[in-house]
Amino acid sequence: GIQVEQSPPDLILQEGANSTLRCNFSDSVNNLQWFHQNPWGQLINLFYIPSGTKQNGRLSATTVATERYSLLYISSSQTTDSGVYFCAADQNFVFGPGTRLSVLP
Amino acid sequence: DGGITQSPKYLFRKEGQNVTLSCEQNLNHDAMYWYRQDPGQGLRLIYYSQIVNDFQKGDIAEGYSVSREKKESFPLTVTSAQKNPTAFYLCASSKASGLAAINEQFFGPGTRLTVL
Repeated sequence: GIQVEQSPPDLILQEGANSTLRCNFSDSVNNLQWFHQNPWGQLINLFYIPSGTKQNGRLSATTVATERYSLLYISSSQTTDSGVYFCAADQNFVFGPGTRLSVLP
Repeated sequence: DGGITQSPKYLFRKEGQNVTLSCEQNLNHDAMYWYRQDPGQGLRLIYYSQIVNDFQKGDIAEGYSVSREKKESFPLTVTSAQKNPTAFYLCASSKASGLAAINEQFFGPGTRLTVL
């Protein structure tokens, strides 16, 4: 089956900094989502983005399907951005291992 | 409001007991999913269902069972055969599983199961 990798595994930022999270997948996909898991465990939908670019406030995402990767950009990070970011790919949503982000005040 | 509910939020079980986790959705979604998450880990697929009265095993189905008698409901039973059931269990749903469909997945709040 498809393999999904994420990098970096851990990221520590100072408030106000920008960051880029990467998701690589081993085969072509027809679904690609980014989620944020908050400290209480709730998974929050960020983007449904099998291809192209989308923006939502300080967050944006780009998926280059032909090269099998997706990027999540966080600009002007805030402490509330802390948590784990997951990408999930393919028809049955194979999850990557996540990137744990800590934003320090 | 439309959404996915899971109950209970916390569940404690003695070894050797079966326990059933509830998942209900009112989004009119066809597909439903169960995932397991261990501390510091990603999500692993247990079972999924694309239509009523049909379901498929995921990557870690051993020791679990499901049913899909209604479109809105997809309960998960953790049986005594599951060797290490303590984990966080997440239910999700999506509109469709067809290759050409927009298939955005939405999650419930989760159930934390602890085996004593």
